[in-house]
Amino acid sequence: KAGVTQTPRYLIKTRGQQVTLSCSPISGHRSVSWYQQTPGQGLQFLFEYFSETQRNKGNFPGRFSGRQFSNSRSEMNVSTLELGDSALYLCASSLGGTGSMNTEAFFGQGTRLTVV
Amino acid sequence: DAKTTQPTSMDCAEGRAANLPCNHSTISGNEYVYWYRQIHSQGPQYIIHGLKNNETNEMASLIITEDRKSSTLILPHATLRDTAVYYCIVRVPHSGSARQLTFGSGTQLTVLP
Repeated sequence: KAGVTQTPRYLIKTRGQQVTLSCSPISGHRSVSWYQQTPGQGLQFLFEYFSETQRNKGNFPGRFSGRQFSNSRSEMNVSTLELGDSALYLCASSLGGTGSMNTEAFFGQGTRLTVV
Repeated sequence: DAKTTQPTSMDCAEGRAANLPCNHSTISGNEYVYWYRQIHSQGPQYIIHGLKNNETNEMASLIITEDRKSSTLILPHATLRDTAVYYCIVRVPHSGSARQLTFGSGTQLTVLP
C-alpha cells in the first residue's frame, strides 16, 4: 500500500510569508504527527492530530498551526516565516487510538523548507 | 517518556553484525523500547520495538536486558545501505499523548566497505 505522502518536497519562501505543507497518511491511519528537523535542534515534535482534533502539541510558537480533514489528510501552516524556520518538516502517520497495538509511526520523505 | 543514552557514532564492517547499544535506566514498567533509523535527508524509518522479550523481524533483532535498563539493536549482516542515524526511544504506546516521539541525538552508524 502507498506510504505517507508529503507535498511539496522542496519549497523556498521569503521572510514574512506564510506556507502550507500537506501530508497524506497511509490509508486507514487516523493519527498524523508533524516534526521539525534542523541541524541544531534535531527532530522536534510539533503536534499530533487524530480524528480531526489536535491531541498533543509541542513547544512551538503560535505561528505554527495545523489541521486534519475528515479523510485524515493533514496540513500544517507556518505564518510570518523567519529564517530559523528553515528545516525539514516531517509527517508521520500511525493507526492511532488508545487501544491500538500497532503503534509504530511511518514517516514521509519530508518537505525541505528554505526561508530566505 | 524515559530518557535514553546512545553512543554518538559507531563503525561496522560490511557483512558483519552491527550491535547498537541503548541505555534507558529510568524506564518504567509500561514503557516499550522502539528503534528508528534515518538515512540522510529521508524520513525516519521504524525498525522494531519490544517490551521485555527479545524481538526479531526481517530487519533486525532487539535484545532487552532482564532488568530492562538497556537494550541492543542488532543488524545481523550490515550493508552500506544501513549507514544511518539510529534512534532508540522508550515510550508508553497507549498513553494519552499517544503519538509524540521524543528523538535524542541517536547513533550515527557508518558501515565501511
